[in-house]
Amino acid sequence: KAGVTQTPRYLIKTRGQQVTLSCSPISGHRSVSWYQQTPGQGLQFLFEYFSETQRNKGNFPGRFSGRQFSNSRSEMNVSTLELGDSALYLCASSLAPKNIQYFGAGTRLSVL
Amino acid sequence: GESVGLHLPTLSVQEGDNSIINCAYSNSASDYFIWYKQESGKGPQFIIDIRSNMDKRQGQRVTVLLNKTVKHLSLQIAATQPGDSAVYFCAENRNSGYSTLTFGKGTMLLVSP
Repeated sequence: KAGVTQTPRYLIKTRGQQVTLSCSPISGHRSVSWYQQTPGQGLQFLFEYFSETQRNKGNFPGRFSGRQFSNSRSEMNVSTLELGDSALYLCASSLAPKNIQYFGAGTRLSVL
Repeated sequence: GESVGLHLPTLSVQEGDNSIINCAYSNSASDYFIWYKQESGKGPQFIIDIRSNMDKRQGQRVTVLLNKTVKHLSLQIAATQPGDSAVYFCAENRNSGYSTLTFGKGTMLLVSP
């Protein structure tokens, strides 16, 4: 069974631009969560989706948004990029909430 | 705010030794804990989990111990191998219906041949 797939793997953007990251969960998994990983802040929770509904949101500004589609694939969007948004963005999927979360390899975003 | 923290940022061991990575958590409402391993350039890889109704759980070469009295979690790796070298994170899921994980800062495990 294929693991969590995140695309693209690497992105370079400039300040002010927007970006969309994609996540395909493990087949059959309906819960998708997003995390931001930086050297200074570690792994921080962004969003959690289940059955196309955002169930929980972390402490991030409104520039960070996301959605989940009927096939459980998820996207997250960051608008008006700032230098501090440079990070590894990780997606994790699980069968259902409070089950084991399996992570993708992440998307490395660099904002110049 | 409440968070999951790690006592040792770096742990260096010899191949064949047993390794113990510790984690302190502050939220007594947390009911689910997971250990992840992250190698350079990769996403976190699930190692083992434990729910708050258990004190100990064993996997292949790994054991997780949970002490709810002192809010402490540990990961024991038996016969550590060079391939175990990575950053290890503990994560807690608070007593809610959500999947949200709160991660510790991580411990780097270095295994020398």
